[in-house]
Amino acid sequence: RKEVEQDPGPFNVPEGATVAFNCTYSNSASQSFFWYRQDCRKEPKLLMSVYSSGNEDGRFTAQLNRASQYISLLIRDSKLSDSATYLCVVNGGDYKLSFGAGTTVTVRA
Amino acid sequence: DAGVTQSPTHLIKTRGQQVTLRCSPKSGHDTVSWYQQALGQGPQFIFQYYEEEERQRGNFPDRFSGHQFPNYSSELNVNALLLGDSALYLCASSLPGQGFGNTIYFGEGSWLTVV
Repeated sequence: RKEVEQDPGPFNVPEGATVAFNCTYSNSASQSFFWYRQDCRKEPKLLMSVYSSGNEDGRFTAQLNRASQYISLLIRDSKLSDSATYLCVVNGGDYKLSFGAGTTVTVRA
Repeated sequence: DAGVTQSPTHLIKTRGQQVTLRCSPKSGHDTVSWYQQALGQGPQFIFQYYEEEERQRGNFPDRFSGHQFPNYSSELNVNALLLGDSALYLCASSLPGQGFGNTIYFGEGSWLTVV
């Protein structure tokens, strides 16, 4: 079983729409959770950390459900510039980050 | 302030050859991690170097080796290249002694094609 699994998408949404997707992780001892964004053929960049109480960063909302071992990301009022691959990332308390394969989002005009 | 820099950006090698990839961490960072990202996959952890020692290693064969220099820069070496080694190799640096997801910065990567 993969450490982090994501719905690959693609999610194709119009500008202004709301899009949401999840990931699940297998290690119940995981301690830190993140969403990274990766543009085509570029390096991953931190989008936001994910906290147990849920957190927002502008149009982005992340949720963590430790009991069910899943993490979600919601994007409101989608912009063309939100088109990217979103990587779910988990840290199990060591020095390794475990990445999902990514969810592709395309926002169309 | 330069971020994480990697070289070369692209290279093509033949099966069985050896390759060395280089990474200079972000200023003030002393910890370097290497990741392999195959097409359509997420990055996979290869290993992390701290104080010139390999601190943690992922599930990669011994053909993958590394080194960290006193100036914190690092090299990734891959011997006996296989077609399956074709990937984007990402170097990431982080703050002193750390390496967690919100304090790690990636370079633009080295694209390796094995033919």
